[in-house]
Amino acid sequence: DSGVTQTPKHLITATGQRVTLRCSPRSGDLSVYWYQQSLDQGLQFLIQYYNGEERAKGNILERFSAQQFPDLHSELNLSSLELGDSALYFCASSEVLAGALNEQFFGPGTRLTVL
Amino acid sequence: DAKTTQPNSMESNEEEPVHLPCNHSTISGTDYIHWYRQLPSQGPEYVIHGLTSNVNNRMASLAIAEDRKSSTLILHRATLRDAAVYYCILRVLPSGNTPLVFGKGTRLSVIA
Repeated sequence: DSGVTQTPKHLITATGQRVTLRCSPRSGDLSVYWYQQSLDQGLQFLIQYYNGEERAKGNILERFSAQQFPDLHSELNLSSLELGDSALYFCASSEVLAGALNEQFFGPGTRLTVL
Repeated sequence: DAKTTQPNSMESNEEEPVHLPCNHSTISGTDYIHWYRQLPSQGPEYVIHGLTSNVNNRMASLAIAEDRKSSTLILHRATLRDAAVYYCILRVLPSGNTPLVFGKGTRLSVIA
């Protein structure tokens, strides 16, 4: 158990719909990362938040957005869903100590299926 | 980010040592070599990291070539639980507050 929780575990929805994925980081971790894993693209970084602020953006579509709340949990919002958005979405967290490894701890993922 | 190259798949017998190679010929002096693995139906997990010297921890050993252009993750006695996809990743430290860039990794199968 990494200490990172993600809900829901599974989500099945239809094209055009909007969903919200939730992530609770390990206690004390200030950084939250979102990754997408699909069969054809592998594991890809989407977006990072650090202490409530957006810090880095990867291959995140404009239809997707995220935020990190004052209690440090994060939500990833996916809208106007398409079949190709079906994937595993992982959240990871890390503490941020200067000069340290700051390894990332991954949650169990949310499997999104768009029909 | 500097690129890493790994074999797509490898196979090992249970309780035998496994050597997982990674080539990173464009590595820079500030790149640390990290390994993560992803067990079936789970998120990735950290395995080990190093800069220049060989490293050991409770999970594995990391052997780094003298010119740092390649490295090898060593599992001393593979178990069925070690069947996973292993990712070799370069990261610049101490700026560790950055995303991980995953390649395709090596899928390790362990045969009983």
